[in-house]
Amino acid sequence: DIQMTQSPSTLSASVGDRVTITCRASQSFSNWLAWYQQKPGKAPKLMMYKASTLQSGVPSRFSGSGSGTEFTLTISSLQPDDFATYYCQQYNTSPTFGGGTKVEIK
Amino acid sequence: QVQLVESGGGVVQPGGSLRLSCEASGFTFSDYGIHWVRQAPGKGLEWVAFIRYDGNNKYYPDSVRGRFTISRDNSKNTLYLQMNSLTAEDTAVYYCAKSDSGTYYGTFDIWGRGTMVTVSS
Repeated sequence: DIQMTQSPSTLSASVGDRVTITCRASQSFSNWLAWYQQKPGKAPKLMMYKASTLQSGVPSRFSGSGSGTEFTLTISSLQPDDFATYYCQQYNTSPTFGGGTKVEIK
Repeated sequence: QVQLVESGGGVVQPGGSLRLSCEASGFTFSDYGIHWVRQAPGKGLEWVAFIRYDGNNKYYPDSVRGRFTISRDNSKNTLYLQMNSLTAEDTAVYYCAKSDSGTYYGTFDIWGRGTMVTVSS
């Protein structure tokens, strides 16, 4: 199985900040990586797929990049609705998720 | 409106069994693979099972293989998860999630609200 490691596990930031979350894979693969946002008590929501393709309806302040073993999710200007937990997930092989990054208010 | 609605969760004793259901609407259910994903209280996401659009291929991680069985009835737009030999480690919210592919894992582009399974004596 491909292990996915996210960092940081918690990120404290303010509205308007630029934030970056990193996801590292135990094995290299192309771009079969997705990002999900989850708010407390809710189901996850697909935000990005193929590492850098924005899911329909997701604001353009979200962007993704990477290939191989390192991937990033960037929020260019953090908004109040963005405080949540974010998970990366690879689907190159049987799916595995990162441990999550909680973006909290500073 | 594309929707997945899980049901069947509850409290079960260790060693017991439970069957979850997931009813789909708003899309052509028989065209897409469907996953089960779980989340233990306060923990991250864990993929549990995947079934192809036609039900002919099923995939599981080691943690549930041999105990859980995924199935589907395309005539009823419904997905199932039969869970046997349950342990406390299976306690979680169980989500069904639609794949963007009929045959491959793909991404999880639509999620249900989840159903809680608690394994406790």
